[in-house]
Amino acid sequence: AQKITQTQPGMFVQEKEAVTLDCTYDTSDPSYGLFWYKQPSSGEMIFLIYQGSYDQQNATEGRYSLNFQKARKSANLVISASQLGDSAMYFCAMREARSGGATNKLIFGTGTLLAVQP
Amino acid sequence: DAGVTQSPTHLIKTRGQQVTLRCSPKSGHDTVSWYQQALGQGPQFIFQYYEEEERQRGNFPDRFSGHQFPNYSSELNVNALLLGDSALYLCASSVRGLTDTQYFGPGTRLTVL
Repeated sequence: AQKITQTQPGMFVQEKEAVTLDCTYDTSDPSYGLFWYKQPSSGEMIFLIYQGSYDQQNATEGRYSLNFQKARKSANLVISASQLGDSAMYFCAMREARSGGATNKLIFGTGTLLAVQP
Repeated sequence: DAGVTQSPTHLIKTRGQQVTLRCSPKSGHDTVSWYQQALGQGPQFIFQYYEEEERQRGNFPDRFSGHQFPNYSSELNVNALLLGDSALYLCASSVRGLTDTQYFGPGTRLTVL
């Protein structure tokens, strides 16, 4: 069965330092996608970064990078040079291959609350 | 380029009532998915609409129903509200492509008293 595990309920990081948020996943589908979303206190889920199961290189988007270790089924998010505005809840999510022609559903982890300290 | 929009922002209902939430997808997107996020938890998939049909459904009772219109906008209806239906309801839109990324709206916060 599909499952996403985020074992860090909360994390602290000093401003300008890097932080790694952990995510492991479980799926029997060889074709899948992994996503990270940021959810500020306002509630909106903001897409950060995507990694496909067949991608050869780790994804990067500005200060965000994804440390994808397929054999270990892990997809950790690395945020470099943390900023105060990075304080939020972060969710790891997975979708398996398409079903019936439409985008497949997302399965979310329980999230990690990141607090950036000045 | 307008993102995903949802209405209303907040809603307060009493047990047994019915509620309708609305979602307009991002321009160019044809698929709408609905998620329920209880306090302190990750979002849970309710169902997804594509080509005006429900394509996938999560583990939610029949009290939860929906619709997609020809302009791709969507509604989520919940009948016979329970206290446990209190949550943030998120709508996400997507289009078939390389990543199938889902983009979320700001959500509707439903409180059932």
